[in-house]
Amino acid sequence: EQLVQSGVEVKQPGESLRISCTGSGYNFNHQWIAWVRQKPGKGLEWMGIIYPSDSDTIYSPSFQGQVTISADKSVGTAYLQWSSLEASDTAMYYCARRTGKRSLLGVHYFFDLWGQGTLVTVSS
Amino acid sequence: DIQLTQSPPFLSASVGDSVTITCRASQGISNSVAWYQQKPGKAPHLLIYSAFTLQSGVPSRFSGSGSGTEFTLTINSLRSEDFATYYCQQLYSSVQTFGQGTKLEIK
Repeated sequence: EQLVQSGVEVKQPGESLRISCTGSGYNFNHQWIAWVRQKPGKGLEWMGIIYPSDSDTIYSPSFQGQVTISADKSVGTAYLQWSSLEASDTAMYYCARRTGKRSLLGVHYFFDLWGQGTLVTVSS
Repeated sequence: DIQLTQSPPFLSASVGDSVTITCRASQGISNSVAWYQQKPGKAPHLLIYSAFTLQSGVPSRFSGSGSGTEFTLTINSLRSEDFATYYCQQLYSSVQTFGQGTKLEIK
C-alpha cells in the first residue's frame, strides 16, 4: 500500500498548479484522502478531504476558495490545485489516507498512510 | 473549527527518561484523537488512534490516554530514535485539525 505524490514544483506568483497523489495496493476509491500543508519550520494544517468514489469534498474554512481538491477515480489519483499561486503557498504538501476502524464503541478514524510530500516553492 | 492546544511546544529530555505531552481540545471530542510522530524531512507517522489504541508496529513505550477535552501522549524509556516532533489530531468533526506540535529534543 502506498501513496505516491508528484515531484518538486517551483513556480512564480500568479501561476497555476496541480499536484497529484496516486494510490496503489488498496481500494483507493473507497477511502478518504486528505491534503495537509506544512510551511517551512511550522506545523501540520488540515486543508481538506475527498472521497474519490463520488468526489464528495470537505474543505477547512481556512482553505475554502483558496485551493481545489479533486479526484479521478479511473486512475486512482487525487489532486490539489491552485489557480493563482502566492508566495505564502510555499510549503510541503502531503496527502494522507483516512482509515476507519469499527469497534463496539463506534468508528475510529486516523491517517495511517501518507504520501512522501510535494514541495512547492513560489518565488519571483 | 475545533482547536487543539498542545503543551509544551518544546520538551528537552535524555535517553531513558519518560515524557508526557498534553493536547487540549476547545470542545469535547470523545476519544477521537490520534497522535503522530514526524522526523525532519519525513511524512508524519501514526502512533496512536482513538486516544489510546497503539497502531500496529508501534513500540509499547508509547501510550495515550484521555477523553473529552484533555489527552496525553506518554513515552517511557526514551530512545534516541524518539527525538522528533509530535502532533495530536482530532477526528471528531468533519474538519480534522492538528495541534501545533511538540518538539522533543535531546538534553
